[in-house]
Amino acid sequence: KAGVTQTPRYLIKTRGQQVTLSCSPISGHRSVSWYQQTPGQGLQFLFEYFSETQRNKGNFPGRFSGRQFSNSRSEMNVSTLELGDSALYLCASSPGHLNTEAFFGQGTRLTVV
Amino acid sequence: GQQVMQIPQYQHVQEGEDFTTYCNSSTTLSNIQWYKQRPGGHPVFLIQLVKSGEVKKQKRLTFQFGEAKKNSSLHITATQTTDVGTYFCAGLNTNAGKSTFGDGTTLTVKP
Repeated sequence: KAGVTQTPRYLIKTRGQQVTLSCSPISGHRSVSWYQQTPGQGLQFLFEYFSETQRNKGNFPGRFSGRQFSNSRSEMNVSTLELGDSALYLCASSPGHLNTEAFFGQGTRLTVV
Repeated sequence: GQQVMQIPQYQHVQEGEDFTTYCNSSTTLSNIQWYKQRPGGHPVFLIQLVKSGEVKKQKRLTFQFGEAKKNSSLHITATQTTDVGTYFCAGLNTNAGKSTFGDGTTLTVKP
């Protein structure tokens, strides 16, 4: 069974640009959550999608958005990038909402210059 | 909102010594999960605890869930260099509709 796939693995963007990250969950998993990981802030919850609906959202500005498609694949978008958005963005998939373990992808390392 | 605090932030041990990380939630949890992230890697699920007072063991790792379901601990006996990494707890609060991760404890093991 293939794991969680995140693309791209690395990205360098300029301040003010926007970026789209992609996550393909494990086959059969319907929940996808996104996290931002920085050295000083740990794992910060961005949002969770389940069956194409956003079920929960963390404390991030509106520049951070996401969506989930009917095949459970998910994308997150960050607009008007700031230097502070540089981080590892992790996607995690679960079979259902709020129940079992989360399987993380390798992450996308975003650097904003 | 729900807060999950983990201590210590860093722990340096000599190989063979024991290690413990503690996780404390500001709210009662439905369950707690533990993850390990190796340097340069991504978090990997270790275990989930659901019942009050639950204790689970995985070889040298012992996980406990407090009676009040607001705290948890992970204890590693006789650490090895393969234990290095950051250990995260994640507490699920069904009322809040999400799991909250602690900031992690980074373990280094000196051979």
